Amino acid sequence: AQTVTQSQPEMSVQEAETVTLSCTYDTSESDYYLFWYKQPPSRQMILVIRQEAYKQQNATENRFSVNFQKAAKSFSLKISDSQLGDAAMYFCAYRIPNTGNQFYFGTGTSLTVIP
Amino acid sequence: KAGVTQTPRYLIKTRGQQVTLSCSPISGHRSVSWYQQTPGQGLQFLFEYFSETQRNKGNFPGRFSGRQFSNSRSEMNVSTLELGDSALYLCASSEQPHPNYGYTFGSGTRLTVV
Repeated sequence: AQTVTQSQPEMSVQEAETVTLSCTYDTSESDYYLFWYKQPPSRQMILVIRQEAYKQQNATENRFSVNFQKAAKSFSLKISDSQLGDAAMYFCAYRIPNTGNQFYFGTGTSLTVIP
Repeated sequence: KAGVTQTPRYLIKTRGQQVTLSCSPISGHRSVSWYQQTPGQGLQFLFEYFSETQRNKGNFPGRFSGRQFSNSRSEMNVSTLELGDSALYLCASSEQPHPNYGYTFGSGTRLTVV
């Protein structure tokens, strides 16, 4: 079974500080893609960052970076210099192109940013 | 470029009725996927369409169906609504049905079954 585990239902961070959201996943496939999505109250899922499993280098997008540990099947998201606009629900997910291609999502982490 | 448009934004239906939700993808996107989001089950895959063909279907009963038109717009239909069908239904579009291509989500349709 394809599963994604986000063990932190809620997290909070002080504005301008750094926070790390955890994610582990389980798949026996070797070719897959990992994602972090953000869902603010507007409900739209917004892509934060994406990582191809075959790439060893961790992806980075401005203040967002990941720590991808393939052997441990871990994919954590680090948000640096947190801003009020980062407050949202964050979902970890992956897709496997050869077996259906759908997103498998975790249960989400609600991030609060404290001014 | 306009984003993914889902209509209606909110919907209230009575148990036993049927409902049709619409998703207009970004221009040029031919792949459309649907997801159901509930507090209890989280985000679950419903189906994916590409060029009017259903490529994949999630583990949902036959009451859930969908289709895609030649202009790539997609609809999903739920018949004989149950209280448990209350959820946020999200659609996402992409140029191609492969993770190499970015998927853009709409803001969803909030369905309430009473």
